[in-house]
Amino acid sequence: DIVMTQSPLSLPVTPGEPASISCRSSQSLLHSNGYTYLDWYLQKPGQSPQLLIYLGSDRASGVPDRFSGSGSGTNFTLKISRVEAEDVGIYYCMQALQTPLTFGPGTRVDIK
Amino acid sequence: QVQLQESGPGLVKPSQTLSLTCTVSSGSMSSGDYYWSWIRQHPGKGLEWIGHIYYSGSTYYNPSLKSRATISLDTSKNQLSLKLISVTAADTAVYFCARDQGGNSIAFDSWGQGILVTVSS
Repeated sequence: DIVMTQSPLSLPVTPGEPASISCRSSQSLLHSNGYTYLDWYLQKPGQSPQLLIYLGSDRASGVPDRFSGSGSGTNFTLKISRVEAEDVGIYYCMQALQTPLTFGPGTRVDIK
Repeated sequence: QVQLQESGPGLVKPSQTLSLTCTVSSGSMSSGDYYWSWIRQHPGKGLEWIGHIYYSGSTYYNPSLKSRATISLDTSKNQLSLKLISVTAADTAVYFCARDQGGNSIAFDSWGQGILVTVSS
């Protein structure tokens, strides 16, 4: 199985400031078709996870442009350009290159 | 946007079978080449992918479930089902159904609200 790790596991943020979460995979997520199979999800308190980013850097429908995904191979980053209060929750990266699909442990983001 | 709703018993006895249904609305399960997944979240923990079924009926399960899981589709009812046999307290979790958005990606753009299943005598 591909093992996903994230850092930090807890991230206090200040509204209006940028924030960044790192995700690493135990093997490259680059498929032979040229796509990188890395997704980002946000689980707000009491809610189901929601898709933010797919294929490493494509924003899902309706996701604000303050969220961006980058990276390649085994190293990926989710950036929030200016954090808003509604962005609190747990952020998960997930590899979708091979089954079983696996998630990172999550990064809890809360307001300082 | 498609909507998903999980249903089933919230309490299951150890060694028995957990059976959940996910009803899909605002769209047909038989239209479009989508994967339909079950994902669970142990209390206060992260996410674990259980397995998926393709619209054609082919399935894949997480080996961590040790062949205890079965996922099926009933396109006539627009329902996805999960059966997990021989449950233990370790199967206590919130269970989500989710749909992959299709295309070149594998990403869950639609999720149910989740259902808490407790395994206890």
